[in-house]
Amino acid sequence: GAVVSQHPSRVICKSGTSVKIECRSLDFQATTMFWYRQFPKQSLMLMATSNEGSKATYEQGVEKDKFLINHASLTLSTLTVTSAHPEDSSFYICSARAPGGSPLHFGNGTRLTVT
Amino acid sequence: DAKTTQPNSMESNEEEPVHLPCNHSTISGTDYIHWYRQLPSQGPEYVIHGLTSNVNNRMASLAIAEDRKSSTLILHRATLRDAAVYYCILLFGNEKLTFGTGTRLTIIP
Repeated sequence: GAVVSQHPSRVICKSGTSVKIECRSLDFQATTMFWYRQFPKQSLMLMATSNEGSKATYEQGVEKDKFLINHASLTLSTLTVTSAHPEDSSFYICSARAPGGSPLHFGNGTRLTVT
Repeated sequence: DAKTTQPNSMESNEEEPVHLPCNHSTISGTDYIHWYRQLPSQGPEYVIHGLTSNVNNRMASLAIAEDRKSSTLILHRATLRDAAVYYCILLFGNEKLTFGTGTRLTIIP
């Protein structure tokens, strides 16, 4: 079945540095990928919709200059958390939909800890 | 957006059936009813979806009320690995998936 791979699964970084998270669709092409963030004991919050070959669409309240999204190919989207701060520590999850209107497939998430 | 209402938490004994309810009284005629679940420290996974008729797959069954204002996800024989947060979501076409608070299912050994 369709698989979405997310890397890294865990990352610890120092405050002020940038972190890149990769999301790959392994056996299908995804023109659209979605990025979510989840704080402890809370539900997933959609951050942005990543469109291949064009600019991402950000949800209200999400800073596009802080969370840079690049969707350079049909199988890869990246999320870069720039100048990370402790409040950016969270569980980041990507998802993609295979062609044909199939359900969304999710990566296993990246736990970011900013010290 | 049409909203869904689910109980915050439920418990079930292992190896017994589990019925997870979802109310969606403002559902539109073109909204599909999707269920996803999230195991601890993992991304969500697709469980099942339907429009009007009841649906079955290897993971679960979905029973949809005749007026479509509610639905029930049925796990026929719960195992400890079914402990997760279950999300009932209404979706039209390829629109983005918006998660509510879901139901946290605890399985009692």
